[in-house]
Amino acid sequence: DSGVTQTPKHLITATGQRVTLRCSPRSGDLSVYWYQQSLDQGLQFLIHYYNGEERAKGNILERFSAQQFPDLHSELNLSSLELGDSALYFCASTWGAGGMGNEQFFGPGTRLTVL
Amino acid sequence: AQSVTQLDSQVPVFEEAPVELRCNYSSSVSVYLFWYVQYPNQGLQLLLKYLSGSTLVKSINGFEAEFNKSQTSFHLRKPSVHISDTAEYFCAVSDQGSGTYKYIFGTGTRLKVLA
Repeated sequence: DSGVTQTPKHLITATGQRVTLRCSPRSGDLSVYWYQQSLDQGLQFLIHYYNGEERAKGNILERFSAQQFPDLHSELNLSSLELGDSALYFCASTWGAGGMGNEQFFGPGTRLTVL
Repeated sequence: AQSVTQLDSQVPVFEEAPVELRCNYSSSVSVYLFWYVQYPNQGLQLLLKYLSGSTLVKSINGFEAEFNKSQTSFHLRKPSVHISDTAEYFCAVSDQGSGTYKYIFGTGTRLKVLA
């Protein structure tokens, strides 16, 4: 158990809908990263939040957004869903702003299926 | 931009046989390298990492990886695999850019240990 929790575990929805994925980092960790894992794209970095502020965006679509709340949990919002958004979404946390050698601790993921 | 290449998408091997999972990276600066393992229906777990110092790093469950700067490689090896090692293995490099540190992952190698 990494100490990172994600809810829900599974999510099935229809095209055009909007969903929210939630992540609670390890106790004491200030950084939350979101990754998307799909068969065709592999593991892709989406976005990084540190202590409530967005630090960087990766390959994140404009239909997707995220935020980190004062209690440090984070939510990833996916809207106008398309079939191709079906994937496993992971969040990871690390202490501080993250560093080159810092280990990131991954949650169990949320499997999103768009029908 | 940094990149990670895992040439083998799947590696079948018999139990108690040795295995090598290959990872090559591209970087012109100092690198920090990681191997993560993903067991079925689980999140990623850190297996081992190279930050500096000895080029040979080891995990608690018998895996080891050697950082080879001249060949830009960080191959993962185990002298004798077990059925329980069946999983997907991801090589990653820590990348600094746009004000954040994030992982760049390879496409993964699925290790299948056969009885």
